[in-house]
Amino acid sequence: NAGVTQTPKFQVLKTGQSMTLQCAQDMNHNSMYWYRQDPGMGLRLIYYSASEGTTDKGEVPNGYNVSRLNKREFSLRLESAAPSQTSVYFCASTSYWVRTEAFFGQGTRLTVV
Amino acid sequence: GESVGLHLPTLSVQEGDNSIINCAYSNSASDYFIWYKQESGKGPQFIIDIRSNMDKRQGQRVTVLLNKTVKHLSLQIAATQPGDSAVYFCAENGDNNNDMRFGAGTRLTVKP
Repeated sequence: NAGVTQTPKFQVLKTGQSMTLQCAQDMNHNSMYWYRQDPGMGLRLIYYSASEGTTDKGEVPNGYNVSRLNKREFSLRLESAAPSQTSVYFCASTSYWVRTEAFFGQGTRLTVV
Repeated sequence: GESVGLHLPTLSVQEGDNSIINCAYSNSASDYFIWYKQESGKGPQFIIDIRSNMDKRQGQRVTVLLNKTVKHLSLQIAATQPGDSAVYFCAENGDNNNDMRFGAGTRLTVKP
């Protein structure tokens, strides 16, 4: 039981490049989330998916797109990376019955130069 | 917009003392308030939650207090240990109960 798995763990991009951050959970959770964490800013919600087939914007969705591929997988795409998107990205999931207990991945440290 | 925030960014306590971490919130519509712990290099981990219709909830060595009058949330850690050193975040479940939003965090350092 791996929990929430994120790939890659580290990534360096040049401004304007695109990439997709992958997230998968094996806990049969309904809801999945993408957060970014900047120093001193805490975690900010980018997008979330309450259930398979639905996605909604969070606090800071600009510059990102998401896909809930199936119940297990929720990907985050940066179409044209900018230095302001340098951050640590966390994926999380919650069950339908216990929505307060989020399980987080180990994070992806992204640097855009 | 409404958000969750924290009073202090850092807190240093002596091992064995009790710790109190505070959080202010502004969204009265939130159904649950939650505390998470984040150790260096890891993702946040759930500690305890409290429903908006409660004032107090206790866990193992932790107590969460909710004061709806002043929109204040606190996490009390009893007999703080070196392993408690981490960043602590408060969070709230949003109006639709499907999104979870976090405050900025408080770094707790436990001195031996």
